[in-house]
Amino acid sequence: DVKVTQSSRYLVKRTGEKVFLECVQDMDHENMFWYRQDPGLGLRLIYFSYDVKMKEKGDIPEGYSVSREKKERFSLILESASTNQTSMYLCASRGLAGPAYNEQFFGPGTRLTVL
Amino acid sequence: GNSVTQMEGPVTLSEEAFLTINCTYTATGYPSLFWYVQYPGEGLQLLLKATKADDKGSNKGFEATYRKETTSFHLEKGSVQVSDSAVYFCALSDPTGTYKYIFGTGTRLKVLA
Repeated sequence: DVKVTQSSRYLVKRTGEKVFLECVQDMDHENMFWYRQDPGLGLRLIYFSYDVKMKEKGDIPEGYSVSREKKERFSLILESASTNQTSMYLCASRGLAGPAYNEQFFGPGTRLTVL
Repeated sequence: GNSVTQMEGPVTLSEEAFLTINCTYTATGYPSLFWYVQYPGEGLQLLLKATKADDKGSNKGFEATYRKETTSFHLEKGSVQVSDSAVYFCALSDPTGTYKYIFGTGTRLKVLA
């Protein structure tokens, strides 16, 4: 089974703090994604990485950066957390071959609260 | 551009009732279509998918048929259970082959015993 894990299920941070959200997948997938999920808005793509050290901005990248130094790990960084970044953050990965091609596999999510 | 529209919830049903959650899409070309389910406190799980017109995806008693003529991918289940209570997301993958996926806003289903 594909497993995508996220470093924390719940996180509480203060305004202005630097925040790291970590995501690890164990299926050697090339592509990894960071989304945020907000009520009534569905999932919105923050950043995408199509391979190691490769990244591309999604629909809402402002206030975020990412790092992908190893294939299995994709980190989301909030440089200076703000209250409007309080949200559920979901990581996903996708392989480019095999029967599960084009399917995204999601982690359990990190609920971040910024006070 | 590409978009997904799904019915607003919440949808409340009694156990063993018939379920339909509507999903329509707009896309140039032929996207793959997906239904994901999110149980309370968890991430999204793929429920079913269809990759071309007239394909029927099915899993755990749920079904959806890719209808190109009506640009729809409605989710159905003949007899819901309390354990089906969750949020359901319809999604499409960009038909031009980029990495982008478009998700609907989600439909919350509550099944009462």
